[in-house]
Order: sequence, then structure tokens, then C-alpha cells
Amino acid sequence: EDQVTQSPEALRLQEGESSSLNCSYTVSGLRGLFWYRQDPGKGPEFLFTLYSAGEEKEKERLKATLTKKESFLHITAPKPEDSATYLCAVQTPGGGADGLTFGKGTHLIIQP
Amino acid sequence: NAGVTQTPKFQVLKTGQSMTLQCAQDMNHEYMSWYRQDPGMGLRLIHYSVGAGITDQGEVPNGYNVSRSTTEDFPLRLLSAAPSQTSVYFCASSYSRSGSPLHFGNGTRLTVT
Repeated sequence: EDQVTQSPEALRLQEGESSSLNCSYTVSGLRGLFWYRQDPGKGPEFLFTLYSAGEEKEKERLKATLTKKESFLHITAPKPEDSATYLCAVQTPGGGADGLTFGKGTHLIIQP
Repeated sequence: NAGVTQTPKFQVLKTGQSMTLQCAQDMNHEYMSWYRQDPGMGLRLIHYSVGAGITDQGEVPNGYNVSRSTTEDFPLRLLSAAPSQTSVYFCASSYSRSGSPLHFGNGTRLTVT
């Protein structure tokens, strides 16, 4: 059974304090790993797709990386508007009816 | 560009009532799906569709029904609401079933009393 674990569950940072969120997975045959951002009362918003180990994607203060066992979402010099819950999901041949398994998310708070 | 639109945003039902959650997308995506999100749990797939006229069950389909008569619309029906169906429901669409990111609506918060 595919498993996705996100850590930490919650993270509080000061503005400008860089850190990383982790998404570790145990799957057979990764087709893709997705990162989403979810604001309160909103649906998840797509950030990145990573397909193979070694791949990196960047967008503003966010950088996503992928290894064979985990993905990191690095946040550089975060601002209060980066506060959100960050979700990762893996897609595999055996992961659920649509192949997707979501993690439970990391709730990130950036304090001014 | 509206993306994925869900209505209503909030709904309160009594046990045993039925209702339909509406979902429409304007991106011409073939793949659409319904998820529920509960505290402390990841998103769980209820039903999905790979195209008009084709639907299939997800992880937690009991108590829900779907149909896909057009590419744009994918309504979710609650047949006889139960308190266990209190949740936030998200509709999503993507270009294809595999390898493409999902685009989510902003959800319907449903409370069943």
C-alpha cells in the first residue's frame, strides 16, 4: 500500500527564516509527485510536479526537490503571505482509484 | 477564466435529506473527480470520471452518486444524508487521469445534523 507522510504537521517561522517541509513516501512506481498550497476556506492550488529523482522546480520563494524516497519544499526568506497548508500527493500505478495518495499536510505559519 | 466552480459554498442538511453538489469546469478537461477532506485526514477520493458518460468509484463512494452527461459538469448527489457525511467536499479536474495536476474548486462545506 502506498504511503505518504508529511512532516512536520505544523511549523511556525519568523518572517525571513528559511526552512524546509518534508514529504516522504513509500510507493511502487512513482508517476509523479505534486505539491499544493491550500489557504483556509479554499481548495488546494497546484504548485509543482516532479517526475524523477534529482528533479528540481522553483517558483518565487519556493523550491521543490525530489529523491527516490522523499521530496522537500524549501521556503527561502518567507513572508506572512506564504502562510498556508502545504499538501503533497504521489501518483502511482497502485495508489487508489486515480493513482493519487495525499499526505495530511504541513500547516505553515509565518509571523511578521 | 473561472476554472472549477462549485456551488453551494455552505450547506446544512438534516439526516435523511438528499441534495446535489454542483461542479463545473471551463478548461475542457476530460478527467474530473470528487474528494472529501476531513480534519486529520488526507483528501479521500469519492468518485471520478475520465470523460462524459464514464464514471467510477473511488476510495469512499458509499452514500454518494455521480453522473457525467457533459464534459463540463460533474454533480455529486447525496442520496440520504448522514452525520458521517459532514465534511468539506472538493471537485477537481485535470487534463488526464495520470501525470497531470488537479485543479480544485473552492469547496462546499456540508454539515449534516
